[in-house]
Amino acid sequence: DQQVKQNSPSLSVQEGRISILNCDYTNSMFDYFLWYKKYPAEGPTFLISISSIKDKNEDGRFTVFLNKSAKHLSLHIVPSQPGDSAVYFCAASAWNAGGTSYGKLTFGQGTILTVHP
Amino acid sequence: ETGVTQTPRHLVMGMTNKKSLKCEQHLGHNAMYWYKQSAKKPLELMFVYSLEERVENNSVPSRFSPECPNSSHLFLHLHTLQPEDSALYLCASSPNGGRGYTFGSGTRLTVV
Repeated sequence: DQQVKQNSPSLSVQEGRISILNCDYTNSMFDYFLWYKKYPAEGPTFLISISSIKDKNEDGRFTVFLNKSAKHLSLHIVPSQPGDSAVYFCAASAWNAGGTSYGKLTFGQGTILTVHP
Repeated sequence: ETGVTQTPRHLVMGMTNKKSLKCEQHLGHNAMYWYKQSAKKPLELMFVYSLEERVENNSVPSRFSPECPNSSHLFLHLHTLQPEDSALYLCASSPNGGRGYTFGSGTRLTVV
């Protein structure tokens, strides 16, 4: 049972336009969400996160939106740049579920973003 | 460098070999993780160590054996692997009680 899903394996966008990456989750205990970016031959690097008490978090060109009722989050990149071309992973944790003090993350399968010049 | 170092970066091994993957972090984190990334699949959590104690083992076959001798080092010992075990193995660490991981660059493992 995949608790975090990224249903679009790939996305192609023109430079300067908006990239929208989507993520759905099923576990209602998830209360903290993160996006990671991964280049080939490198490990994922943290991009942006959002707590379930918020519905939007913005950091420069990157904005994450959370719709708790729909169990859906999205990452908006605007304007998109060729250097943004990478695999983007959505991740979630049940931080306040209790029982553990370590931050286990559950990941989606990733979306390959290609930004064309 | 992210602060989490994995060696080797690439490994090719036969099914009868024994090898070990190494992960090292000097970020002062107390939790360390092994993940497996296969093509077109989510990152699969294999093992979690918190304060050097294994706190989670996600039904990983016994041919994978983790070891955490201290809070800065994590190993994954491999023996009699199968070709389907070929994947990118990622180590990550996080502060105990903290949010989000720092990943290493991974070891690309090929079993022949």
